[in-house]
Amino acid sequence: GENVEQHPSTLSVQEGDSAVIKCTYSDSASNYFPWYKQELGKGPQLIIDIRSNVGEKKDQRIAVTLNKTAKHFSLHITETQPEDSAVYFCAASEGNTPLVFGKGTRLSVIA
Amino acid sequence: DTEVTQTPKHLVMGMTNKKSLKCEQHMGHRAMYWYKQKAKKPPELMFVYSYEKLSINESVPSRFSPECPNSSLLNLHLHALQPEDSALYLCASSQDSGYAYEQYFGPGTRLTVT
Repeated sequence: GENVEQHPSTLSVQEGDSAVIKCTYSDSASNYFPWYKQELGKGPQLIIDIRSNVGEKKDQRIAVTLNKTAKHFSLHITETQPEDSAVYFCAASEGNTPLVFGKGTRLSVIA
Repeated sequence: DTEVTQTPKHLVMGMTNKKSLKCEQHMGHRAMYWYKQKAKKPPELMFVYSYEKLSINESVPSRFSPECPNSSLLNLHLHALQPEDSALYLCASSQDSGYAYEQYFGPGTRLTVT
């Protein structure tokens, strides 16, 4: 079955700097890669996703890149703000099997 | 609107109690999910309903009993739980079954079993 590794487990950045979180997956059939942000006491919020026919996707300060050959995908947050502080989860699915989540990255943005 | 609502927000129950968690969505989604999340861990899938029929049960103990009364509602009935069942219970929905559809999560019910 699919296995998703996520790094780093914790990340601290200064406000205004960029943050990068990386995930690798094992199943080459996986074709859907969402990213979720979970703030304390809340449910996960879908912030961006990418499908295997696309190499990069951007939404304002957030971008996701996918390298199918290397089987890894990354979340990039630019111009970080204190409200970006949260736990971020990556996930992968080949469409017919449930999402497999990474273990999460706790991002702290220091003002 | 991508809102999934869950009630109650918090629940404390004894091991002999029976309680229910409720989830509702009005996005016309035809797939609904229950997840369990322990502290500092990712969500773990418990059940999937597709077009109001149970399509996946991830070997969940029978003390958890899901129900989908209609396409907008999802319940999770709890009975004779154990302290290790204490967790955040998350409901999610997606447009259709098939895991390449965006899943939207509710805020969760924080369950404590005493």
